[in-house]
Amino acid sequence: DADVTQTPRNRITKTGKRIMLECSQTKGHDRMYWYRQDPGLGLRLIYYSFDVKDINKGEISDGYSVSRQAQAKFSLSLESAIPNQTALYFCATSSVDSNQPQHFGDGTRLSIL
Amino acid sequence: AQSVTQLGSHVSVSEGALVLLRCNYSSSVPPYLFWYVQYPNQGLQLLLKYTSAATLVKGINGFEAEFKKSETSFHLTKPSAHMSDAAEYFCAVKGVGDYKLSFGAGTTVTVRA
Repeated sequence: DADVTQTPRNRITKTGKRIMLECSQTKGHDRMYWYRQDPGLGLRLIYYSFDVKDINKGEISDGYSVSRQAQAKFSLSLESAIPNQTALYFCATSSVDSNQPQHFGDGTRLSIL
Repeated sequence: AQSVTQLGSHVSVSEGALVLLRCNYSSSVPPYLFWYVQYPNQGLQLLLKYTSAATLVKGINGFEAEFKKSETSFHLTKPSAHMSDAAEYFCAVKGVGDYKLSFGAGTTVTVRA
C-alpha cells in the first residue's frame, strides 16, 4: 500500500462547488503539506501543518482551506471552486529533520468547468 | 528565500546517450538539494539528495548529481538513457533548518529510440 494516499485521484466539478481533497499517510510523519502543480510552474505550496494544532498558509493559500483531523490525515478544501484552480494537487509528508526529503502522494487531478 | 532555476523545460536524448539536466540554486549558505522524478499519472519520487556529505551523490536508476558550491549548481546526469527515463524531473532546494521546499519549473525528458 502507498505510504501517502490521496483521494480522489481525479475529479471534475463545476464552478462554485465545494470540493474536498483528502490525504492520509502511514509514514508516521508529523509534517504534512499541500501543493498544486501547474505546467511550467513546478510545485507551489498551498498550506502546511507541523502537527495537528499547527497549520500555516503557504505561498498561494487564497481560495483554499485545510483541516488536520489527525496526525495521519490532512484535507484540502476549495470552498467555492473557480476554473483557475484547475490543476494537479499533491499531498506530501516529512519528518522534522530538515535534511530529509518530502514524500508525495500520487496526486489528484482536479478540473473545474 | 531559496530559489531554483532549471535550464531547459524540455530535453530530448537518444537511447544510450548521456542525460544532463541542469539545476542552479540561489543561496548564500549551502542548502539541502533534491532531485525528484515524476512519471505520467504518478507523484514525485525521490531520485537523490545532497545534505552536505559527499559532493557527488548517487541515486536510483543510475542517476547521479554533483554539488558545486562555486557554481551554485546541482546538475543531474545519467551516462546512458533508457526509454524508461522518459519523465519530468524536478530540482528542489531547502535551507538548512527550514521546512520549505522550493521547486524548479521542471524539465521533461523524452528518449528517442
